[in-house]
Amino acid sequence: AQSVTQLDSQVPVFEEAPVELRCNYSSSVSVYLFWYVQYPNQGLQLLLKYLSGSTLVESINGFEAEFNKSQTSFHLRKPSVHISDTAEYFCAPRTGRRALTFGSGTRLQVQP
Amino acid sequence: DGGITQSPKYLFRKEGQNVTLSCEQNLNHDAMYWYRQDPGQGLRLIYYSQIVNDFQKGDIAEGYSVSREKKESFPLTVTSAQKNPTAFYLCASRTPAGNTIYFGEGSWLTVV
Repeated sequence: AQSVTQLDSQVPVFEEAPVELRCNYSSSVSVYLFWYVQYPNQGLQLLLKYLSGSTLVESINGFEAEFNKSQTSFHLRKPSVHISDTAEYFCAPRTGRRALTFGSGTRLQVQP
Repeated sequence: DGGITQSPKYLFRKEGQNVTLSCEQNLNHDAMYWYRQDPGQGLRLIYYSQIVNDFQKGDIAEGYSVSREKKESFPLTVTSAQKNPTAFYLCASRTPAGNTIYFGEGSWLTVV
């Protein structure tokens, strides 16, 4: 059974608008959570991760995600998006065998 | 520069032929992984290896084989038994502490 759900397959948004990409995971998986970004025809790049400590984690390019244990969520947010943020975003919890289980992905489409 | 190198980037194969995708890393990581990505879907785990001379099946291992004779190398063979091999293949490796997985740039395999 899938242990992570990305609720939106596509999210269109205008440039400079805020965005939230939603991710929910099953409570049976490890609490280590990751967001990866994939640009066309490329591999995945680590965007940010939650391992322990503060539940709010940030990336260097303005994204942030908050680990919410009670809601089993790890939503990704950015207050103002750029055209260059157009990509596919994957949420991934770490399972017991230390491999990542990936959500189906959310395609963020930033329009001018 | 340290990283994960996958080759070839693009590969065409005739039905009934085996093909091997290369994955090399110079990060000194013990664990390595192969994922498959189909359009509109997330990544699915094919095989993983925690250490040299050891590997385990992932969720979709049928029709694939791997070897791990050296720490730096984890080649994937797509055999003729794989019914739908056309896909994007991603190799990854994990940091020694086990917290983060890094990806190569991927290989496109098309069966013609």
